[in-house]
Amino acid sequence: QKEVEQNSGPLSVPEGAIASLNCTYSDRGSQSFFWYRQYSGKSPELIMFIYSNGDKEDGRFTAQLNKASQYVSLLIRDSQPSDSATYLCAVKGMYSSASKIIFGSGTRLSIRP
Amino acid sequence: DGGITQSPKYLFRKEGQNVTLSCEQNLNHDAMYWYRQDPGQGLRLIYYSQIVNDFQKGDIAEGYSVSREKKESFPLTVTSAQKNPTAFYLCASNPGQGHSNQPQHFGDGTRLSIL
Repeated sequence: QKEVEQNSGPLSVPEGAIASLNCTYSDRGSQSFFWYRQYSGKSPELIMFIYSNGDKEDGRFTAQLNKASQYVSLLIRDSQPSDSATYLCAVKGMYSSASKIIFGSGTRLSIRP
Repeated sequence: DGGITQSPKYLFRKEGQNVTLSCEQNLNHDAMYWYRQDPGQGLRLIYYSQIVNDFQKGDIAEGYSVSREKKESFPLTVTSAQKNPTAFYLCASNPGQGHSNQPQHFGDGTRLSIL
C-alpha cells in the first residue's frame, strides 16, 4: 500500500462546476496535510494546508480533512480553465522524521470550457 | 524577494560524467530537500538536510551525493553511477525542526537529460 494515494485521473470537469480531488493516507498519526498545484513543466506551488479535522476555505478552494477515515480532499468551486493542472497531495506522518513530507503521485485535472 | 533559486534550468550529461545541480535559498530555512520527478509521476525524495553539515538519504539516494556546508546552499551531484538520470529535479525548503508542520516551498527545477 502506498503511503499517500491519489487517483491519477484525468478528471474532466466543466467550467463553472465544482472539482473534487481526493487523497488517502496510510499513517494514522499523520499531522499535516498539503495540496500543491503543478502546471505542466513547472514546479509545484502550495495551494492550501490543513492540520485539523473539518473544512478550511480559501477563496474558491476548500480543503477537507477526515482523520478517522484517513482522507483529505480539495474542492475547487467555479472551476476555471486556468485550474487545469496536476494536483499533488502531501502528508507529514507521525513517524516520519522532523521535516519529511510524503507526496502522492498527483491527480490530473482538466477543466473543459 | 525571498525564494529558492535552482540552476541551471536545463542540463545535459554525457556518459560517465558527474554533474552538479545548484540550489540556493534566502528564506533562512534550516531544512532543504532534493526530489526527482519522472514524467507523469509524483515526487521521490533523494536527499534531505535538516541542518548545516548534516544530511540523510531519502528513498532513491543511490547514484547521487549532496553537501550542506552553508545554510543557504544544498547542491546535488548526479554521479556516473546513476544510470537513468533523465528527470526533473526539484529543490525545496521549509523552516525545519520546531516548525515541522510548515509546508515545503519549491524552486523552479532543473531538467536533466542524457546526451
